[in-house]
Amino acid sequence: GQQVMQIPQYQHVQEGEDFTTYCNSSTTLSNIQWYKQRPGGHPVFLIQLVKSGEVKKQKRLTFQFGEAKKNSSLHITATQTTDVGTYFCAGANFGNEKLTFGTGTRLTIIP
Amino acid sequence: DGGITQSPKYLFRKEGQNVTLSCEQNLNHDAMYWYRQDPGQGLRLIYYSQIVNDFQKGDIAEGYSVSREKKESFPLTVTSAQKNPTAFYLCASSIGTGVAYEQYFGPGTRLTVT
Repeated sequence: GQQVMQIPQYQHVQEGEDFTTYCNSSTTLSNIQWYKQRPGGHPVFLIQLVKSGEVKKQKRLTFQFGEAKKNSSLHITATQTTDVGTYFCAGANFGNEKLTFGTGTRLTIIP
Repeated sequence: DGGITQSPKYLFRKEGQNVTLSCEQNLNHDAMYWYRQDPGQGLRLIYYSQIVNDFQKGDIAEGYSVSREKKESFPLTVTSAQKNPTAFYLCASSIGTGVAYEQYFGPGTRLTVT
């Protein structure tokens, strides 16, 4: 079955440093979504990428979808304490009506 | 306020008992989903429903059952056949069916079975 892996599993950064999480699929994806889950909370949708090589930005967050549509990344510039949480990617194969969530990357910020 | 509600937030049960988790949405969404979240394993799909009176198994449906008698409601029953039921359960909905739509999550129910 489809597998979506994320690395790293944990990341501790000093406030102000950059952060990147990577998402890799064993198969070509039709689209990929990113979610953020604050500690004790529930996942909240951030963005969806559909096109090969697509890059989207939301303030300090930059999302990329690989040319082969098998990988994606989320980069946060100059992290702030509000960025704390677990970031999940979720992808789907063509023709599949289910999303497969990655294992997540938990980001902690050292003030 | 529109959204998804799950109740209760915390639930404790004895082993061997069935338990039903509630999920209600007033977003008028067609699709609804149940996920299980365990530490370090992300979200795993249990069941999903694209329309009233129809639902499909997800990746880990064994030991669970669902119903979709109303568009706004999608309760999940954790049966005594589920080997390891202690987990955080998340309900979600999306405006349309298929993977192109963002999913809106409820606050979750943390189930502990002893």
